[in-house]
Amino acid sequence: AQKVTQAQTEISVVEKEDVTLDCVYETRDTTYYLFWYKQPPSGELVFLIRRNSFDEQNEISGRYSWNFQKSTSSFNFTITASQVVDSAVYFCALTGWNFNKFYFGSGTKLNVKP
Amino acid sequence: GAVVSQHPSWVICKSGTSVKIECRSLDFQATTMFWYRQFPKQSLMLMATSNEGSKATYEQGVEKDKFLINHASLTLSTLTVTSAHPEDSSFYICSPTLQGGRTEAFFGQGTRLTVV
Repeated sequence: AQKVTQAQTEISVVEKEDVTLDCVYETRDTTYYLFWYKQPPSGELVFLIRRNSFDEQNEISGRYSWNFQKSTSSFNFTITASQVVDSAVYFCALTGWNFNKFYFGSGTKLNVKP
Repeated sequence: GAVVSQHPSWVICKSGTSVKIECRSLDFQATTMFWYRQFPKQSLMLMATSNEGSKATYEQGVEKDKFLINHASLTLSTLTVTSAHPEDSSFYICSPTLQGGRTEAFFGQGTRLTVV
């Protein structure tokens, strides 16, 4: 069965703090893709990153970084020096080799206070 | 630019009326359309999958007679919420895909439905 777990329901930090959002997934597929999306109050999903199951290389994009570890089935997301504009709900998602059905985690609401 | 156009972005309707949500794929032909629903402060859950020219497949617990999906063309799919009730108030998002899979994931901007 496919499943994504985001254990952190809500996180509050003060601006400039670093924050890590956790994501643990379950799948029997050998080829799969993992995503992180940001959902601001407007509701639309803002794509942040995609990772395939064969690429465990960590990635950094500006203040964002991702740590993918197949051994622990985790795909964690870190925001360095958080800003108020980072406040949103963040979803981790999993899909198979053919990009069909997406399995979303329950989301983590991040509150960054000035 | 956007490759998926979902309309309307928000709608308020009276209980008992029907609401139609459109989802257009602008840059490619969507042979399959996924419709997701997100209740307030919850995650996105797949409602149904439709293939162009075929009947939609609904996830368990989703009423097919209430959520009518039409996927008559490769660029347009519609979701009609019939006889809407307040409990249908939710955020609906479409996700079109190419035949044979794809290498990108596209989502519509979403439609926030409020039934009063």
